[in-house]
Formats: sequence, C-alpha cells, structure tokens
Amino acid sequence: QKEVEQNSGPLSVPEGAIASLNCTYSDRGSQSFFWYRQYSGKSPELIMFIYSNGDKEDGRFTAQLNKASQYVSLLIRDSQPSDSATYLCAVRDYGQNFVFGPGTRLSVLP
Amino acid sequence: DVKVTQSSRYLVKRTGEKVFLECVQDMDHENMFWYRQDPGLGLRLIYFSYDVKMKEKGDIPEGYSVSREKKERFSLILESASTNQTSMYLCASRGQGGSYGYTFGSGTRLTVV
Repeated sequence: QKEVEQNSGPLSVPEGAIASLNCTYSDRGSQSFFWYRQYSGKSPELIMFIYSNGDKEDGRFTAQLNKASQYVSLLIRDSQPSDSATYLCAVRDYGQNFVFGPGTRLSVLP
Repeated sequence: DVKVTQSSRYLVKRTGEKVFLECVQDMDHENMFWYRQDPGLGLRLIYFSYDVKMKEKGDIPEGYSVSREKKERFSLILESASTNQTSMYLCASRGQGGSYGYTFGSGTRLTVV
C-alpha cells in the first residue's frame, strides 16, 4: 500500500514568517510530487510540482525534494493570512494516479 | 482557462435513490477521476478512467459505478444511495505527462437522508 504522510497540524505561524510543510512517501518508484492548497469548503488547487532532487522556486513558494530520504517539503516565505488553508501533498508513480496525503492545516496569524 | 465542471454544488437525496454526479472537462484530457473527501480520511479514489469507455476501480469502488461515453464527460453513479455515502465528491482530470497535476472541479456536497 503506497502511503503519503503529513502532519495534520494545525501549524500556526505569525504573518511574515516562513511556513514549512513536510511530506514523506513510501514508494521509492514515485516520479513526481505536487502540492495543492485547499481552502475550507473549496476544491484543491495546484500550487507547485517538482520531479527533480533539489529546490524549485515560484514566487513565495519553494518546493524541496530529496528522493533518497523520500521527503518533499513546501516552504512559504512571508506568510500571509490568505495562505491559511490545508496543504495537500500528492505523489505520482509511473502511472496516472496520485496518492494524496491527509493534508496539513496552516494558520497564519495576523 | 482550464475547467472541470461538476453539475451540482449541493445535492440532497433519499436512501435507496439512484444518484448521478456529472463531470465535464474542456481540456481534452485523457484521464479523469472521481474522489470523495471526508474529514479525517482525506481524498479517496473511487474510480478513474484513462480513455473513453474505459474504467478502473480505485480504492473504494463499492456502491459506485461510472460511465465514460465521451472523452469530456465522466459520470459517477450511486446505484442505491446510503447515508454512509454522504460526502464531498470531487472530479478531477489530468493530461498525459509527468508534469501535469490534477485539475479539480468545484465539488458536489452530497447528503443522503
């Protein structure tokens, strides 16, 4: 059974701080990794994907991947109250399906 | 802008009814998926389809069936609705290729009474 694990949170950070969200996965054959943001009552929206070891930056977001440790993270710099949401980690293997983690709830305090 | 459209945002159905949830995408994607999302259980895959008239069971297919007669449309059918099928249902589509993520519809919150 392929598994993706995340701390459920809530993770609380003050406005302007860096939020660090972590995800581990069990399948070494996993190929690409996605971060979704889900606001309460809304559907998930894609914010980042990464498939190579190292860092990938997009605005205030940085995704980090370490395949040897089977670990992927999302950093949010200069956190804003509007970043308060649940963040889902998703992992794709050689097929078309994703395995989603349970999500981490982030709360950015003004 | 890429779109996945689910026909209903909220539905209330009675136990034993046959329920149809419709999903349409305008991106010419081959892959379409139905998930349900419940508090504490996360997203669980019900069924998916890689092509027209093709379907595969996901992790929790019991009590559900699907239909994909056209590439853009993927329907989820609850054969005889039960209260434990009260949930948020999310449709998603995805193109081919490793860098493509899922695009989700806005979801259907189904309540079975």
